Amino acid sequence: QLQLQESGPGLVKPSETLSLTCNVSGGAISSSSYYWGWIRQSPGKGLEWIGSISYSGSTYYNPSLKSRVTISADTSKDQFSLKLSSVTAVDTAVYYCARTIPRITIFGVGTVSWFDPWGQGTLVTVSS
Amino acid sequence: DIQMTQSPSSLSASVGDRVTITCRASQSINSFLNWYQQKPGKAPKLLIYAAASLQSGVPSRFSGSGSGTDFTLTISSLQPEDFATYYCQQSYSMVTFGGGTRVEIK
Repeated sequence: QLQLQESGPGLVKPSETLSLTCNVSGGAISSSSYYWGWIRQSPGKGLEWIGSISYSGSTYYNPSLKSRVTISADTSKDQFSLKLSSVTAVDTAVYYCARTIPRITIFGVGTVSWFDPWGQGTLVTVSS
Repeated sequence: DIQMTQSPSSLSASVGDRVTITCRASQSINSFLNWYQQKPGKAPKLLIYAAASLQSGVPSRFSGSGSGTDFTLTISSLQPEDFATYYCQQSYSMVTFGGGTRVEIK
């Protein structure tokens, strides 16, 4: 059974970079059928998709966060990572990783579909 | 961005009740609509994908319908374990989620 587990610091200072890793077990991330994504949830903004990556490194990012986000994948370790730079208090949230399905829209733009399964989530607080 | 609006934001219901939650998109999203259940302190769980397809392992009392801009999630007979928050998510253009509907015990 595929399982995902987030890990990383629970406290990050303003203006610094948030770094999280998602470890995948019970399956490999090197499948061309899937992408791997990050979603966050905060009281203020609800659920927000951050971005997704394929095993080969192709990425889709939420335009509202794209300038600050980097998602990378390490197939040798079956893990993928999130870096969010220049964080502020509004980036305080529970961060989830999840598996997703890639698709191409009618406009020829790549995106992703539903998310399943999800990791348990990790709370990241931005505070000095 | 495509905005997803859920209604109601919360509801109270009894075990055995039929419950319907609505999700409206700000523009047509065909059938690119998914539903999740989230319990306190837990990650969301996929219930329905592509508007009406039941995810493997999800009880058949859950069903989804709709296309275009209007969608519904129906629980045919509410069970004690169904008290949770439900979210819709569109994947027609990028990804956005609805604000959630909390289903509480009456």
